[in-house]
Amino acid sequence: DTAVSQTPKYLVTQMGNDKSIKCEQNLGHDTMYWYKQDSKKFLKIMFSYNNKELIINETVPNRFSPKSPDKAHLNLHINSLELGDSAVYFCASSRPGLAGVQEFFGPGTRLTVL
Amino acid sequence: QKEVEQNSGPLSVPEGAIASLNCTYSDRVSQSFFWYRQYSGKSPELIMSIYSNGDKEDGRFTAQLNKASQYVSLLIRDSQPSDSATYLCAVNEGTDKLIFGTGTRLQVFP
Repeated sequence: DTAVSQTPKYLVTQMGNDKSIKCEQNLGHDTMYWYKQDSKKFLKIMFSYNNKELIINETVPNRFSPKSPDKAHLNLHINSLELGDSAVYFCASSRPGLAGVQEFFGPGTRLTVL
Repeated sequence: QKEVEQNSGPLSVPEGAIASLNCTYSDRVSQSFFWYRQYSGKSPELIMSIYSNGDKEDGRFTAQLNKASQYVSLLIRDSQPSDSATYLCAVNEGTDKLIFGTGTRLQVFP
């Protein structure tokens, strides 16, 4: 199946731990994103990579470090997890369309920090 | 700060009615506009895109854009209980970034 996939789907961890979320897309898109969706459902962009290069970094604490080993993968590593990091994290990829950038989302990773 | 605003709802409509979802945006240079549907516990799914003033129809969905008023809407005809979800409006001003509204929760009751 062509898609954006993420692992893990659920992540429960203690404050202060370090964790990673992985994302892969087989859609052939050049641009990939990380979004955070909080409990109020507000979807906010964190990072964007185009062909392995960082192009958007939206005032995210430097505890969050994205890594793109190739244009089909974008991973997110989070150091020293805090309670406020609890959210659903979505990976997305995009292609230019007739109506501008069209983004396709992965299934999400629900992170709970205890 | 560029903003996209939506009424959080819930918007409750009876089955078979027309649901009307509205979105306003602050940046006049915005070029393209999207509606995403998000079921509870699922990821956003693109359902409509529009970039020209006027209406664009796709099945039971119609997107309407008025750039002068900085307004975009989504009409869902013959609403079904399966349409119950949160609808996210997103705006692109020509970069690789979408700015999302906070979403409107739609409830269609039988």
